[in-house]
Amino acid sequence: DAMVIQNPRYQVTQFGKPVTLSCSQTLNHNVMYWYQQKSSQAPKLLFHYYDKDFNNEADTPDNFQSRRPNTSFCFLDIRSPGLGDAAMYLCATSSRKLAGEFEQYFGPGTRLTVT
Amino acid sequence: GQNIDQPTEMTATEGAIVQINCTYQTSGFNGLFWYQQHAGEAPTFLSYNVLDGLEEKGRFSSFLSRSKGYSYLLLKELQMKDSASYLCAVKDSNYQLIWGAGTKLIIKP
Repeated sequence: DAMVIQNPRYQVTQFGKPVTLSCSQTLNHNVMYWYQQKSSQAPKLLFHYYDKDFNNEADTPDNFQSRRPNTSFCFLDIRSPGLGDAAMYLCATSSRKLAGEFEQYFGPGTRLTVT
Repeated sequence: GQNIDQPTEMTATEGAIVQINCTYQTSGFNGLFWYQQHAGEAPTFLSYNVLDGLEEKGRFSSFLSRSKGYSYLLLKELQMKDSASYLCAVKDSNYQLIWGAGTKLIIKP
């Protein structure tokens, strides 16, 4: 089945220790997103890629970086995680066409714990 | 600024009907989405409205009034598995999704 896959599902890292979260998709969608979601809050968009075109949200901290080496894969790097970065990180994809984007398909998320 | 408002929490009874409202103020409008999110899981797509009116999908329906900046999600014949958060999201003029914080729906037997 076509899908969005995130690894790992649960990640524990130490304060200040770099961590990388990964996302892959078999939907062949040209847009990929990274969201941060804390409990009972709306998903907060960190970045999105339209093909290789990288779009950084204005309020995304410099501590967060992203890479998209090809259509299928996208990575979220947190250079120096703080306690406030503990959250669910959601990867999503969509197919952007001339008429605008269609719905976003989400991966299962990676729950990050910072100790 | 851009804003999506929805109730924080609602409670309903198994077998009943519930309506979850969403009001929005965004810079432009290119469609409204409803997503369902079970605790600890990713959001899953439920419905999309871009024109005024009602879209029906089985037990779920979604309504849009663009002039009022208003939508609702109607859930019929509630089942225990419908206990989840329901997120309203609007595509603005830049085709960015603006998300509400979600409505936690609690279903009681």
